[in-house]
Amino acid sequence: GENVEQHPSTLSVQEGDSAVIKCTYSDSASNYFPWYKQELGKRPQLIIDIRSNVGEKKDQRIAVTLNKTAKHFSLHITETQPEDSAVYFCAASKNAGGTSYGKLTFGQGTILTVHP
Amino acid sequence: DGGITQSPKYLFRKEGQNVTLSCEQNLNHDAMYWYRQDPGQGLRLIYYSQIVNDFQKGDIAEGYSVSREKKESFPLTVTSAQKNPTAFYLCASSTGPTNNEQFFGPGTRLTVL
Repeated sequence: GENVEQHPSTLSVQEGDSAVIKCTYSDSASNYFPWYKQELGKRPQLIIDIRSNVGEKKDQRIAVTLNKTAKHFSLHITETQPEDSAVYFCAASKNAGGTSYGKLTFGQGTILTVHP
Repeated sequence: DGGITQSPKYLFRKEGQNVTLSCEQNLNHDAMYWYRQDPGQGLRLIYYSQIVNDFQKGDIAEGYSVSREKKESFPLTVTSAQKNPTAFYLCASSTGPTNNEQFFGPGTRLTVL
């Protein structure tokens, strides 16, 4: 099955700096890569996702890049703010065919702390 | 935050007891999922269901059971066979296999006393 590795496990930056979180995946058939943000004690919420037919996607201060050849994808947050502090999870899945049903495999998470 | 709900928010159980966690969605989503989250770890898939009366084991199904009698509901039972059930349980739903975005419920924190 799919295996997703996420690094670093913790990341501390100063407000205004950029933050980068990286993930690698093992199943070359995976074609959907979402990123979730989870604040303490709350539900994960989707912040951005990318599909395998594009290499980069941006949404204001957040961007995701995908390298299918190397099987890795990254989350980039620019001009970080204290409210960006949270746990970030990457995930990977492939469109259902057979019994995969769009299963998401998650990375272990990155605790991002933005210091004012 | 509406659309997918879980209850209760906190649950305490004695060892040897079965307990059922509720998950309801009014998003008309076909697929529903149960995840377990332990401190410092990612989300691990317990069970998932694409349609009513059908469900599949995830990566850590041992000691858990589910049912999908209605499209809106996907309850999870944590049985006494689950060796280490204390965790945060998250339910999610999505429109189906062609759209993988999953929406999460607020979670249930289960503690075994």
